[in-house]
Amino acid sequence: AQSVTQLDSQVPVFEEAPVELRCNYSSSVSVYLFWYVQYPNQGLQLLLKYLSGSTLVKGINGFEAEFNKSQTSFHLRKPSVHISDTAEYFCAVSIFGNEKLTFGTGTRLTIIP
Amino acid sequence: ETGVTQSPTHLIKTRGQQVTLRCSSQSGHNTVSWYQQALGQGPQFIFQYYREEENGRGNFPPRFSGLQFPNYSSELNVNALELDDSALYLCASSLSATGGPSNQPQHFGDGTRLSIL
Repeated sequence: AQSVTQLDSQVPVFEEAPVELRCNYSSSVSVYLFWYVQYPNQGLQLLLKYLSGSTLVKGINGFEAEFNKSQTSFHLRKPSVHISDTAEYFCAVSIFGNEKLTFGTGTRLTIIP
Repeated sequence: ETGVTQSPTHLIKTRGQQVTLRCSSQSGHNTVSWYQQALGQGPQFIFQYYREEENGRGNFPPRFSGLQFPNYSSELNVNALELDDSALYLCASSLSATGGPSNQPQHFGDGTRLSIL
């Protein structure tokens, strides 16, 4: 079975500062990796995904993530955050392509003006 | 292109009752997945339907059941409701050629918030 660990439940960051949200996973087989964002009272929106190929993945809203197989990590980064980035961020894995996702417990990103 | 829509948006039930939640998949999508998101937690996979058949199930008891219709819309039914069933229920749709691993993105609805009293 797969599992995802997001060690930071909350991350406060000043506006225009860089941010990194950490994600580690566990799996006995190859996985696909995802980051989703959830704004208040809304569903999930895909930020980016790693299926194969280049380990540095660029997504929407200026986010990027790097797949590190040896460290079983898929950390999310943004060089300069904006107030509108305030949301809950979920890392997820799957062995079924884009579906049947196993999610972490989420990281709440709060941007401080 | 119409996105994934879920109804109702909010629902209040009491323990022991039964509930049906509905999901209209995005136009052209043939696969629907359901997730349960308890407060402060990540979503948990309940099950998936592909072309009207269950195509994978997470660690949920049989009182969680589903249907997919010929137009690919779907229902999630929960019997004998328990307090722990209080959660946001999310539906996601996608397009799959075979029902196997897919490279096509999954689109989520805004969910139904179910409260059990």
